[in-house]
Amino acid sequence: NAGVTQTPKFQVLKTGQSMTLQCAQDMNHNSMYWYRQDPGMGLRLIYYSASEGTTDKGEVPNGYNVSRLNKREFSLRLESAAPSQTSVYFCASRRTGDYNEQFFGPGTRLTVL
Amino acid sequence: AQSVAQPEDQVNVAEGNPLTVKCTYSVSGNPYLFWYVQYPNRGLQFLLKYITGDNLVKGSYGFEAEFNKSQTSFHLKKPSALVSDSALYFCAVGGVGGSQGNLIFGKGTKLSVKP
Repeated sequence: NAGVTQTPKFQVLKTGQSMTLQCAQDMNHNSMYWYRQDPGMGLRLIYYSASEGTTDKGEVPNGYNVSRLNKREFSLRLESAAPSQTSVYFCASRRTGDYNEQFFGPGTRLTVL
Repeated sequence: AQSVAQPEDQVNVAEGNPLTVKCTYSVSGNPYLFWYVQYPNRGLQFLLKYITGDNLVKGSYGFEAEFNKSQTSFHLKKPSALVSDSALYFCAVGGVGGSQGNLIFGKGTKLSVKP
């Protein structure tokens, strides 16, 4: 059981380049989430998917798009990267139910030059 | 607006001493609360949660947390700190907004345990 996996682990982009961050979970969870973590700011929700086929904006969605490819996979796309998107990105998943905890992946460290 | 505050950026404790990491929240309705831990260069790991019932919640690695409704607090505690407890700790509140399962995280508290 790998849990939540993310690729790549590290990435350096130039301003204006695009890329997709991949996330997959093998726990048969319905809900998946993308966060960014910046020093002194905690985790901020970018997008989430309550179930396969649905996606919704979180607190900081500007500059990002997501795709819930199937129940296992939830990708995050940066169409035109900006230095302000330099951050550590975490994917998480959660079993359906009001009080269930989220399980996190190891993160992707992204630097935009 | 719902929010979570962790008033201390860093907490320093000597090994063997008790530790407390503070968290206060502001939500409408009944919250449910979580603590997560993040070790360097790792993702967040779930420690414990409060839903309802007993105000003292026990979790992983000997940690516990005390829910206090009147003070709107959910402080994380451990009777005897270990050097290996050194990490970044996040408090989070759920049951907020219109989206089930979404969490609001505090900014995190760095715990440093010295031998």
